[in-house]
Amino acid sequence: IVMTQSPATLSVSPGERATLSCRASQSVRSNLAWYQQKPGQAPRLLIYGASTRATGIPARFSGSGSGTEFTLTISSLQSEDFAVYYCHQYSNWWTFGQGTKVEIK
Amino acid sequence: QVQLVESGGGVVQPGRSLGLSCAASGFTFSNYDIHWVRQAPGEGLEWVAVISADGKTIFYADSVRGRFTISRDNPKNTLYLQMSSLRVEDTAIYFCVRVTVPGGPFDYWGQGTLVTVSS
Repeated sequence: IVMTQSPATLSVSPGERATLSCRASQSVRSNLAWYQQKPGQAPRLLIYGASTRATGIPARFSGSGSGTEFTLTISSLQSEDFAVYYCHQYSNWWTFGQGTKVEIK
Repeated sequence: QVQLVESGGGVVQPGRSLGLSCAASGFTFSNYDIHWVRQAPGEGLEWVAVISADGKTIFYADSVRGRFTISRDNPKNTLYLQMSSLRVEDTAIYFCVRVTVPGGPFDYWGQGTLVTVSS
């Protein structure tokens, strides 16, 4: 299953909303996770089951979608949220999107 | 707390072999499937291999099947990845990753170990 994320780069001002998209080449049902990765660090699980926040993840992160279309929304960007975000399907083997870099506008 | 610590990375020539380890702590290692995921410099994430909790079920990505071997030693709380016939395109940071439940999302990642394949 090919995962396609858009946009590749998203320029956002602190306090603004960020909306990231992920599309699967075939249905993954709700077997979709989102990860955040900062430079020099391992990815961190944010969302699983398409919409469930992982332990300790702030409420400003939310996920939605099912089947082939998914969205990660960060409601009000904080300085620590500027990073690369990956979607990941675990429905049929395991594949990742190419990532969306959220940068400061 | 859950910890996964990879080791064994380094610089190796094409065609040679290298072994990685991942030491686990803070959870009952023998209860969890564990994966290897890699990330080439400046690139995205690529799934490499998985081994079930009991070590009996193993799957590999097409890109490494026949060259890499995943294994585990549950009494030692350690995961391994033996890599042979290494190629330049195997250059990457290798992460060991725990899953929440079999077939589930990846909940804990190690810090990774860098493998560089170069002549």
